[in-house]
Amino acid sequence: AQSVTQPDIHITVSEGASLELRCNYSYGATPYLFWYVQSPGQGLQLLLKYFSGDTLVQGIKGFEAEFKRSQSSFNLRKPSVHWSDAAEYFCAVGASEYGNKLVFGAGTILRVKS
Amino acid sequence: DGGITQSPKYLFRKEGQNVTLSCEQNLNHDAMYWYRQDPGQGLRLIYYSQIVNDFQKGDIAEGYSVSREKKESFPLTVTSAQKNPTAFYLCASRDRGSHGYTFGSGTRLTVV
Repeated sequence: AQSVTQPDIHITVSEGASLELRCNYSYGATPYLFWYVQSPGQGLQLLLKYFSGDTLVQGIKGFEAEFKRSQSSFNLRKPSVHWSDAAEYFCAVGASEYGNKLVFGAGTILRVKS
Repeated sequence: DGGITQSPKYLFRKEGQNVTLSCEQNLNHDAMYWYRQDPGQGLRLIYYSQIVNDFQKGDIAEGYSVSREKKESFPLTVTSAQKNPTAFYLCASRDRGSHGYTFGSGTRLTVV
């Protein structure tokens, strides 16, 4: 079965600094990979997704993520963080053979300091 | 606009009572999902349904029940058998052929 690890529970960055959130997955073949963002008390919004093809994917709000098969990773990056990026970020993995059920990581809470 | 509506946003329940959370979508999506979110644990799958009149247990189905009588609706009942029901509940849907989910805005259930 799939699994997802987000090693960092909390990350604090200064406004304008670069950001990288880590995500490692466990799955035998190439999975479908997602990053979602959640503001407090709200649902999840899709930032970006990877199914196949180019391993560097662009998403909304200036985010990008790179799929590295050799490292089983799908890290999320942003070159310059804005205060409005403060939220919780979830990495998720899905696979057709598991009915497209998404398995989520525990999440990383991003704090932005001015 | 199409989307997923979860109601109510906040729900309080006395111990020993059943309570039903509503999830309605007008996206014409085939599959629907219920997740439970607890701090530091991410989202855990409770139940899911790929088509009308069919549903499967997820990873933490004990103490919960669902129905899928209409494509648009996938209500979740939290029964008195659920030992620790206080949580944030998220409903999601997925279109056939797509792999990403659309989420509702959630229901926060508190047992008092």
